[in-house]
Amino acid sequence: GIQVEQSPPDLILQEGANSTLRCNFSDSVNNLQWFHQNPWGQLINLFYIPSGTKQNGRLSATTVATERYSLLYISSSQTTDSGVYFCAVMERGSTLGRLYFGRGTQLTVWP
Amino acid sequence: NAGVTQTPKFQVLKTGQSMTLQCAQDMNHNSMYWYRQDPGMGLRLIYYSASEGTTDKGEVPNGYNVSRLNKREFSLRLESAAPSQTSVYFCASSEFKGASSYGYTFGSGTRLTVV
Repeated sequence: GIQVEQSPPDLILQEGANSTLRCNFSDSVNNLQWFHQNPWGQLINLFYIPSGTKQNGRLSATTVATERYSLLYISSSQTTDSGVYFCAVMERGSTLGRLYFGRGTQLTVWP
Repeated sequence: NAGVTQTPKFQVLKTGQSMTLQCAQDMNHNSMYWYRQDPGMGLRLIYYSASEGTTDKGEVPNGYNVSRLNKREFSLRLESAAPSQTSVYFCASSEFKGASSYGYTFGSGTRLTVV
């Protein structure tokens, strides 16, 4: 299956700082999603972004499919941004909808 | 509220016991999935069901069985629990159409401990 690598594995920030999370993947994809897992364990879909750039409030994401990476930007971070951020991809040509997940970036935002 | 409902939320089993994790979605999605999450490992796919009546193995299927009871429900069974199955289990559903996967939604998880 496709390999997904996320960096950094851990990130500690002061409230108000900006950050960039990276996701590299080993093969062509037709679906890439970013998820946030909050400290209570709930997984929330942030972006569906197989290519291009999207923004949602203080969060934005960019995927360069030809170079096999995606970036998640968090601006003016808040303590509620803490948690684990996962990148997940679907192989090009997949007919089953399954996602392959990276190991995540653990983000801690201090007040 | 629309979404994916998993039961139970917590469970402790003794080695060798069996149990079934239940999952139901009310979004009329065709595809359903079971993942497990272990510390530092991300989420790994156990089994999935692309449509009612079909199931397929994922990355880590050993020790598990599944049933797609109908379009709404997808259960995961541990026939003889082992300590290596201690994990957090997530059910998810999506509407997969061609190259896109819409509305990939996760349940709140089941924290399982096998002693």
